[in-house]
Amino acid sequence: DGGITQSPKYLFRKEGQNVTLSCEQNLNHDAMYWYRQDPGQGLRLIYYSQIVNDFQKGDIAEGYSVSREKKESFPLTVTSAQKNPTAFYLCASSMKHSGANVLTFGAGSRLTVL
Amino acid sequence: KQEVTQIPAALSVPEGENLVLNCSFTDSAIYNLQWFRQDPGKGLTSLLLIQSSQREQTSGRLNASLDKSSGRSTLYIAASQPGDSATYLCAVSLNTNAGKSTFGDGTTLTVKP
Repeated sequence: DGGITQSPKYLFRKEGQNVTLSCEQNLNHDAMYWYRQDPGQGLRLIYYSQIVNDFQKGDIAEGYSVSREKKESFPLTVTSAQKNPTAFYLCASSMKHSGANVLTFGAGSRLTVL
Repeated sequence: KQEVTQIPAALSVPEGENLVLNCSFTDSAIYNLQWFRQDPGKGLTSLLLIQSSQREQTSGRLNASLDKSSGRSTLYIAASQPGDSATYLCAVSLNTNAGKSTFGDGTTLTVKP
């Protein structure tokens, strides 16, 4: 079955550490996205990529970094520069330039800073 | 800047009741609007997508309507069931870049048996 796999599901980090969240899709989608969700709130866009080796900042990119070396993979690194990293992180993908540009989401990764 | 509002933030209804969830947006020049369901601690599942040229979409017991001129969309759920309990989010896109949609904060629905 096609879908998006995020790992790990739960992650604990000490202050000052960088952590990387994995996102892999086998939907052959061109575009991939990373969002942050805080309790009781909607999603805020961190970074997105529409083609391999290219990505753009979203609304809250500070303290995060990404790479897009393969079409299937879009890992997110939460750096020590992110002041409040505890949150639920969601990865999504969609077909580029699709009229019915439905977003498909992964199951999410919950990051807690100790 | 597009702003998306969902009211109420939470709703509790008895099983079997028909209900309406609301979504309003400030910029009417939208490309499409999407309704999602999110179960606790899970990702989002797409329910319905309405293109800007459409007025409504239906899937099973769900019906979503769109009124661009007034900046509003509604999600109608018929004959609610306990399994419908979840958070429902709407997302508004201004162009073909689906991921740059603006999301509402969601309405958390509880259907009591």
